[in-house]
Amino acid sequence: GQNIDQPTEMTATEGAIVQINCTYQTSGFNGLFWYQQHAGEAPTFLSYNVLDGLEEKGRFSSFLSRSKGYSYLLLKELQMKDSASYLCAVWDSNYQLIWGAGTKLIIKP
Amino acid sequence: IAGITQAPTSQILAAGRRMTLRCTQDMRHNAMYWYRQDLGLGLRLIHYSNTAGTTGKGEVPDGYSVSRANTDDFPLTLASAVPSQTSVYFCASSDHLLAGGPQEQFFGPGTRLTVL
Repeated sequence: GQNIDQPTEMTATEGAIVQINCTYQTSGFNGLFWYQQHAGEAPTFLSYNVLDGLEEKGRFSSFLSRSKGYSYLLLKELQMKDSASYLCAVWDSNYQLIWGAGTKLIIKP
Repeated sequence: IAGITQAPTSQILAAGRRMTLRCTQDMRHNAMYWYRQDLGLGLRLIHYSNTAGTTGKGEVPDGYSVSRANTDDFPLTLASAVPSQTSVYFCASSDHLLAGGPQEQFFGPGTRLTVL
């Protein structure tokens, strides 16, 4: 079966750094996405990794290791507005997105 | 205004009733998707359409149908609603795979549906 695992919830402090991990087991791999979803809103695209390594985009970075079936999203200089759920999704061999349940990130002052 | 719109925003429906959720995009994306999102579960694909005139089944298609008569519209119909279909429904769209790049999906604001 296909499976994507993320921690259910994480707590971090404003101004700090947090790493959200995602492990996956899917039928094939054509890329991995990270989305942000604020409560009651739609998911919005954050990053995409298809090759191993780190992709940096401002305060957010995403890392991929295909051999380990592993990715992480790194958020630096946390702000209160970063309180949201972070969704990991993998494009499988049929180019269908398989979604993790999401990690709820709580930022404390 | 570019983007995806969904209607209604929310709906309470009696079991057994028929319901159509509307989705319209103006980004000229070829591919469109319907997902449901339930607490503690990831987004689950119901149906998709890679281009106007074609549709396909996703992970959880039972009890739902779709049509894609043109590029912009992708309605989702519940023929006879059941309480297990209580969920938040998101419509999304993306460029076709052949366009290259990550083809990130753009999501509508969602429809919160309660079936009693």
